[in-house]
Amino acid sequence: NAGVTQTPKFQVLKTGQSMTLQCAQDMNHEYMSWYRQDPGMGLRLIHYSVGAGITDQGEVPNGYNVSRSTTEDFPLRLLSAAPSQTSVYFCASRLPRAANTEAFFGQGTRLTVV
Amino acid sequence: SQQGEEDPQALSIQEGENATMNCSYKTSINNLQWYRQNSGRGLVHLILIRSNEREKHSGRLRVTLDTSKKSSSLLITASRAADTASYFCATADTGGFKTIFGAGTRLFVKA
Repeated sequence: NAGVTQTPKFQVLKTGQSMTLQCAQDMNHEYMSWYRQDPGMGLRLIHYSVGAGITDQGEVPNGYNVSRSTTEDFPLRLLSAAPSQTSVYFCASRLPRAANTEAFFGQGTRLTVV
Repeated sequence: SQQGEEDPQALSIQEGENATMNCSYKTSINNLQWYRQNSGRGLVHLILIRSNEREKHSGRLRVTLDTSKKSSSLLITASRAADTASYFCATADTGGFKTIFGAGTRLFVKA
């Protein structure tokens, strides 16, 4: 059981480039989320999804797009990378609200925008 | 702004001592969770307490929740050097859709 898998682990982008961070989970979790973690800031919610075909914005959605075509995958797209998007990105998944269960996290993608 | 705020931001103790971290939040919640993050790694779930619960134990961990004060505390008893990590509280809103994290407490346990 792989849990939550994020790829790549490290990425360097030039300002203005676009890229997609991949996230996949094999636990059949309906809820998936993307967070970014900056030094001293904890984790901030970027986008989340409560099921295939349904996405919504979190605390800091600007500059990012998501889609959820399958239960397993929840990719995060950076449309035009900016230095302010240098961060560590975490994907998480969990069962729906009624289950009152914890989130499972991937190991993170460390992104540097130069 | 973030939902949860941890206090203190950093804590340094000797092995064997107890460590207490506090978390305050702003809105009504469905549950509150505590996570641990070792340096450079992902977050690992420690314990979840529901909004209708006041205290919960798991091994050396004790969590309390006071919904009237919108606060929670995490107590780690008999700390070990291996407990050195950052600890985050996270709250799930009553809709259950969003889980919002605080800025975390960095715990350093000296051997």
